[in-house]
Amino acid sequence: EVQLVESGGGLVQLGGSLRLSCVGSGFTFGAYWMSWARQPPGKGLEWVAKISKDGSETYYVDSVKGRFTISRDNANKSLYLQMNSLRDDDTAVFYCAREWWVEYNHGSGTYYPDYWGQGTLVTVSS
Amino acid sequence: EIVLTQSPATLSLSPGERATLSCRASQSVSSYLAWYQKKPGQGPRLLIYEASNRATGIPARFSGSGSGTDFTLIINSLELEDFAVYYCLQRITWHPGTFGQGTKVEIK
Repeated sequence: EVQLVESGGGLVQLGGSLRLSCVGSGFTFGAYWMSWARQPPGKGLEWVAKISKDGSETYYVDSVKGRFTISRDNANKSLYLQMNSLRDDDTAVFYCAREWWVEYNHGSGTYYPDYWGQGTLVTVSS
Repeated sequence: EIVLTQSPATLSLSPGERATLSCRASQSVSSYLAWYQKKPGQGPRLLIYEASNRATGIPARFSGSGSGTDFTLIINSLELEDFAVYYCLQRITWHPGTFGQGTKVEIK
């Protein structure tokens, strides 16, 4: 059974830092791109960052560029999100997700997040 | 950025009824669209990918259709466990991809 378990959330002061972790099990962790997404209270889902299978490629949503860093440790089946210079609008439940490659016809395709963790709450307080 | 607009915002139905949810894209996303179910305290659950393919283990009462800019998720004969918030996600541009704002299916 595929499982993703996040940890590391909590209450942090404005401008502070926090490191989130996500441990995967039930699948070959290093064979998948992985992502972080978030959901602010009462709002919808937003992508935050994603990382390639070997960690050599990373992408971020504009609002977190320069403040957040996604990384991974395949030997320990772990995904991380280092969050610095936290702002009020970073308050959210953060989820990690496995990215599943779906190939369409003629060799094209895309990734869909197919398994998600239960989330960890980050609250930024002023 | 591609914007996904879901309607209605809230759907009030009784168990056994049929739910029809809409997701409209600001520009064509071909069939690079997925649907998710979200319950409080849980991560999203993939229901439909590639606009119309059910994910592993998803009951047949869930079906998706559409392409281009207009997509529909239908839940036939609602069960109590189906009352939740549903999101669409476009992945024609997979970085980052965008979600719709969600449709809440609530018990009438």
